[in-house]
Amino acid sequence: NAGVTQTPKFQVLKTGQSMTLQCAQDMNHEYMSWYRQDPGMGLRLIHYSVGAGITDQGEVPNGYNVSRSTTEDFPLRLLSAAPSQTSVYFCASSYSRGAKNIQYFGAGTRLSVL
Amino acid sequence: KNQVEQSPQSLIILEGKNCTLQCNYTVSPFSNLRWYKQDTGRGPVSLTIMTFSENTKSNGRYTATLDADTKQSSLHITASQLSDSASYICVVSGGPAGGSYIPTFGRGTSLIVHP
Repeated sequence: NAGVTQTPKFQVLKTGQSMTLQCAQDMNHEYMSWYRQDPGMGLRLIHYSVGAGITDQGEVPNGYNVSRSTTEDFPLRLLSAAPSQTSVYFCASSYSRGAKNIQYFGAGTRLSVL
Repeated sequence: KNQVEQSPQSLIILEGKNCTLQCNYTVSPFSNLRWYKQDTGRGPVSLTIMTFSENTKSNGRYTATLDADTKQSSLHITASQLSDSASYICVVSGGPAGGSYIPTFGRGTSLIVHP
């Protein structure tokens, strides 16, 4: 199993450009989510999905879109990049076992918006 | 507002020594509490996960405790190694509907182990 794969690992954008961060998992997990991690702050949830065709907003969804057409893939789209979106983005997939949510993270995408 | 506070913010110890990291939370209702280790430049990796009924969970040299009454958790690292140098993140899940999916992340404790 490759686990959770994120591409690209690094990206530099100019303000106003759009791009898609890719995330794929091969563990057949129902749940997938996107987080951003900024210096001195905890990870913050952007969007999440509880299954194919179902997505919902997290804590900081503005400026981002997601879709979940398959169980395996959960891309994150930046519609018009802004410097405030400079961050490290993590994708995670998870499954529930009772009240426990077992979560696996990708290696991250480091994004700079100039 | 749901919050997770971790202390200390950073910690430096000598190799072979023990240490304890703290996590206080105000998340309600409570579903589960997780500790993650995040190496520099990598994604977080799960160390332990505990529900309301569990008050201790071990993973090798890592032992987590949970006091759901006082809403406190600790992560104890025994006989530290250089590879323990990382950020340790406390995450508490729960939400208005009691679901286990909405997590609140602490800011992490940065641990440096010196030889």
